[in-house]
Amino acid sequence: KAGVTQTPRYLIKTRGQQVTLSCSPISGHRSVSWYQQTPGQGLQFLFEYFSETQRNKGNFPGRFSGRQFSNSRSEMNVSTLELGDSALYLCASSLGAGGLPDTQYFGPGTRLTVL
Amino acid sequence: SQQGEEDPQALSIQEGENATMNCSYKTSINNLQWYRQNSGRGLVHLILIRSNEREKHSGRLRVTLDTSKKSSSLLITASRAADTASYFCATYAGNNRKLIWGLGTSLAVNP
Repeated sequence: KAGVTQTPRYLIKTRGQQVTLSCSPISGHRSVSWYQQTPGQGLQFLFEYFSETQRNKGNFPGRFSGRQFSNSRSEMNVSTLELGDSALYLCASSLGAGGLPDTQYFGPGTRLTVL
Repeated sequence: SQQGEEDPQALSIQEGENATMNCSYKTSINNLQWYRQNSGRGLVHLILIRSNEREKHSGRLRVTLDTSKKSSSLLITASRAADTASYFCATYAGNNRKLIWGLGTSLAVNP
């Protein structure tokens, strides 16, 4: 099976702009989670989508939003970009069903630089 | 805030030696996972250990879990240069599906 893919891989934006990142999960996986990784804060959970519904949300401001489509592909959007939003954004997919959280498979990430 | 804290922050060893990394966490967990991240292959899942398990093996990897001490360790035996990477522990707690991460241990294996 093909792995998790993320586009674009690199992005440079300026403060105040908005950005949309895309994630295609492994075929058959219905859960998509997003994480932000920075040197200072490490990996932080943004949100999780399952069957087009947000199932969990981290402690990020409302400028960070996401959605999931019927084919399980997901997008996240960051509006009014700030310098501190510069980070590696990782998407992970998993089967998502069942009672307990399962193994997540990560994409290569999108490196966002805000100038 | 981080759930897990890895120790040491950085580790440098020679090829063939064993590497041990530790992870401590704060709250009760459902399972604990170890991941590896390097520039070539991104973030890769290594092993998952459930809260009712004490030890698990996968190839050259051995993971232990002590829920009474809220800690886990990852042992890599007979290390190789290709094991050079950052290693993270991550936990799920309760019914929460948020994966909470430590800041990682940076491992350098010198040929």
